[in-house]
Amino acid sequence: AQTVTQSQPEMSVQEAETVTLSCTYDTSENNYYLFWYKQPPSRQMILVIRQEAYKQQNATENRFSVNFQKAAKSFSLKISDSQLGDTAMYFCGSGGTSYGKLTFGQGTILTVHP
Amino acid sequence: NAGVMQNPRHLVRRRGQEARLRCSPMKGHSHVYWYRQLPEEGLKFMVYLQKENIIDESGMPKERFSAEFPKEGPSILRIQQVVRGDSAAYFCASSPSAGGYEQYFGPGTRLTVT
Repeated sequence: AQTVTQSQPEMSVQEAETVTLSCTYDTSENNYYLFWYKQPPSRQMILVIRQEAYKQQNATENRFSVNFQKAAKSFSLKISDSQLGDTAMYFCGSGGTSYGKLTFGQGTILTVHP
Repeated sequence: NAGVMQNPRHLVRRRGQEARLRCSPMKGHSHVYWYRQLPEEGLKFMVYLQKENIIDESGMPKERFSAEFPKEGPSILRIQQVVRGDSAAYFCASSPSAGGYEQYFGPGTRLTVT
């Protein structure tokens, strides 16, 4: 079984600044992966970044990076140089390589202010 | 390569009616997943299908809900005798292989039960 917890219902940041969204998880899988999806007002789910748990190096995608602490079961998302277009709901989640379903956290609403 | 298509985008049903939600996966994808997002919540897994087979329906309510993915045509999520609590956004995702590592989401169908 997998559970994902996002303890920050809402966050805000000024444009061009850096913000970190928190996420903790629990899983019984040995082979699993973690991810962050973004859901803007259009409600389309957009993959932001993904990390295989066996990889020690933190994943990075342009302005988005993660801090993966496997022992602590923590998977935070850092957004650098925040842009107005980053305003969205952000979902942390996990999946296991032995099955297909993804487990999502409750989401964090991020608002970027000009 | 067109993305995952879902239709209709918005569906209004009266209590007791049936709702049929359609999902056409990306070309070459034979794995389909359905998720439900209740207001102010994260996505919850419902069912995982491969062509003509239900692989995992552990998240599907036991009554009134059914899903299929026929050899030809889109995947269908069917809700019989809808109730107000079924009002939600229903997302479909597809992937090219088992394990669900690469899941591409459709734009969702927003079901409103009046």
